[in-house]
Amino acid sequence: DQQVKQNSPSLSVQEGRISILNCDYTNSMFDYFLWYKKYPAEGPTFLISISSIKDKNEDGRFTVFLNKSAKHLSLHIVPSQPGDSAVYFCAASENNAGNMLTFGGGTRLMVKP
Amino acid sequence: DAGVTQSPTHLIKTRGQQVTLRCSPKSGHDTVSWYQQALGQGPQFIFQYYEEEERQRGNFPDRFSGHQFPNYSSELNVNALLLGDSALYLCASSLAPISTGELFFGEGSRLTVL
Repeated sequence: DQQVKQNSPSLSVQEGRISILNCDYTNSMFDYFLWYKKYPAEGPTFLISISSIKDKNEDGRFTVFLNKSAKHLSLHIVPSQPGDSAVYFCAASENNAGNMLTFGGGTRLMVKP
Repeated sequence: DAGVTQSPTHLIKTRGQQVTLRCSPKSGHDTVSWYQQALGQGPQFIFQYYEEEERQRGNFPDRFSGHQFPNYSSELNVNALLLGDSALYLCASSLAPISTGELFFGEGSRLTVL
């Protein structure tokens, strides 16, 4: 039973346009959500996070939106750049679960020049 | 400032063998978590070590065991290897206790079981 799902395995976007990556979750105990980016032959790197008490968090070109009633979050990248091409993982954790993250399957983003 | 380092980067084993993977956390971090990432999937939590003890464990069999040393480095051991154990094994470190879940990952050890 996948508790965190990323239903789009890949996404292709033109440079300068918006990239929207989606993530759905089923566990209502999740209260913290994160996005990680992974380049080939590298470990995942933290990108942005959001607590369940918020519905939006912004950091430069990256914005994460959380819709708790729909159990859905999304990552917006504006404007998209070729260097953003990577695999993006959505992850979630429960209160007091420390560092135990539940990851989605990832979405491969390709930003074309 | 050294990040998370893992060794070896690649290794090949045969079914039934045992393997040990090693991890040194980011400087200043005292908590180490291990994740398994199968091809085409997201990382799956194996276990977490803090103060030399296993604190949390994911849904992995007892064939998977670990250890944390006084210098905070860690080992992941897998016994009686199966073909399905072929994966990228990621080590992540963090400051404990934290609830924000921001982990720093190493590049991983890619294990192939033949």
